[in-house]
Amino acid sequence: AQTVTQSQPEMSVQEAETVTLSCTYDTSESDYYLFWYKQPPSRQMILVIRQEAYKQQNATENRFSVNFQKAAKSFSLKISDSQLGDAAMYFCAYRRGGTSYGKLTFGQGTILTVHP
Amino acid sequence: DTAVSQTPKYLVTQMGNDKSIKCEQNLGHDTMYWYKQDSKKFLKIMFSYNNKELIINETVPNRFSPKSPDKAHLNLHINSLELGDSAVYFCASSQAGSVGNQPQHFGDGTRLSIL
Repeated sequence: AQTVTQSQPEMSVQEAETVTLSCTYDTSESDYYLFWYKQPPSRQMILVIRQEAYKQQNATENRFSVNFQKAAKSFSLKISDSQLGDAAMYFCAYRRGGTSYGKLTFGQGTILTVHP
Repeated sequence: DTAVSQTPKYLVTQMGNDKSIKCEQNLGHDTMYWYKQDSKKFLKIMFSYNNKELIINETVPNRFSPKSPDKAHLNLHINSLELGDSAVYFCASSQAGSVGNQPQHFGDGTRLSIL
């Protein structure tokens, strides 16, 4: 069974600074997809960024980028120029490939605090 | 326009009661999911339907019964509610296709509190 581990229960960053959230996963599959979701206090689950395992290039979405290390099974999220609105709980998630409607397996989450 | 909508947003009820949560998506997706987020914020899949067919049933007690009348709706009925059922329940949807990285779109969640 696949597992996803987020080893940082909480992280904090100063506004305008950069922070990196860690995620590791365990799988025997070669085809899979990785996601970061953000959950603000409003409880919504918002997709931040996604990465296909077959792509070597790291995904980037504006201030958000990932460091995908397939051999190490690591998928960290870097937030640049942090903003107060980035404060939320962040979840790393895995989905097996081979099907486009597989379940998401989530990590435990990391609470990010942004200080003004 | 809300893409994935769940009703109600909050549900407070007594132990032993039966309750339902409704979910509707207007994204034209053919796959819908129910996830449970416990008090420690851990999210876990419960069920998934593709074109009204159950494709994932993740060892959930029989008291939980999903129903998908059409591919835009997935409801969750819970019988004989127990204290441990207190959680936030999220509905999500996605579109099956050849590209597997289709993200799942989530509703705002239903907070179920059992007294």
